[in-house]
Amino acid sequence: QVQLQESGPGLVKPSQTLSLTCTVSGGSISSGSYYWSWIRQPAGKGLEWIGRIYTSGSTNYNPSLKSRVTISVDTSKNQFSLKLSSVTAADTAVYYCASEVLGDYGGNFDYWGQGTLVTVSS
Amino acid sequence: QSVLTQPPSVSGAPGQRVTISCTGSSSNIGAGYDVHWYQQLPGTAPKLLIYGNSNRPSGVPDRFSGSKSGTSASLAITGLQAEDEADYYCQSYDSSLSASVVFGGGTKLTVL
Repeated sequence: QVQLQESGPGLVKPSQTLSLTCTVSGGSISSGSYYWSWIRQPAGKGLEWIGRIYTSGSTNYNPSLKSRVTISVDTSKNQFSLKLSSVTAADTAVYYCASEVLGDYGGNFDYWGQGTLVTVSS
Repeated sequence: QSVLTQPPSVSGAPGQRVTISCTGSSSNIGAGYDVHWYQQLPGTAPKLLIYGNSNRPSGVPDRFSGSKSGTSASLAITGLQAEDEADYYCQSYDSSLSASVVFGGGTKLTVL
């Protein structure tokens, strides 16, 4: 059973860069069966997909965040990471990493991390 | 403003049947992309409930079912139980957004 665990600072100052890492256990990030995604959820609000990376390093990002997002993968550590630059209070949210099944008609997220709260505040 | 539209809330008494709709457009659900559903209990990560429009992962009770038609999808819950009280989200893809993942705004289910 695949398990995901987010890690990173819980507090980031405005205009700085938010950095999070997701560690995958119970399976190889290089298996080729999944995309590896980041999703966020502001308090009391809905889910927002941030972007994904494949084991090859190819990425797709939410157009609304694309200019500020970088997702990378470290297959040697079985980890993938998120960087979100120039953060504001609007980026305060619980950030989840998740495995996205590859699908011909769009895959689903079958495994999720527990989520980590990131607050943007000075 | 979510790309997929869900009712903000639904409610039902124990034992009843409720449905949650997810309305999209010709660039997402109507384009043939699958719809998936998630259940989110308070303070926890979302859990996959229905995948590929109507399939249940192992362990999900058959009280939960999904369907898709045209530009919309629905989640039905029969024999409503107190533990079903949660937020429910639909998810698909959108070709007008570079095949981005899109979520519905979520529906709060209250068991009366």
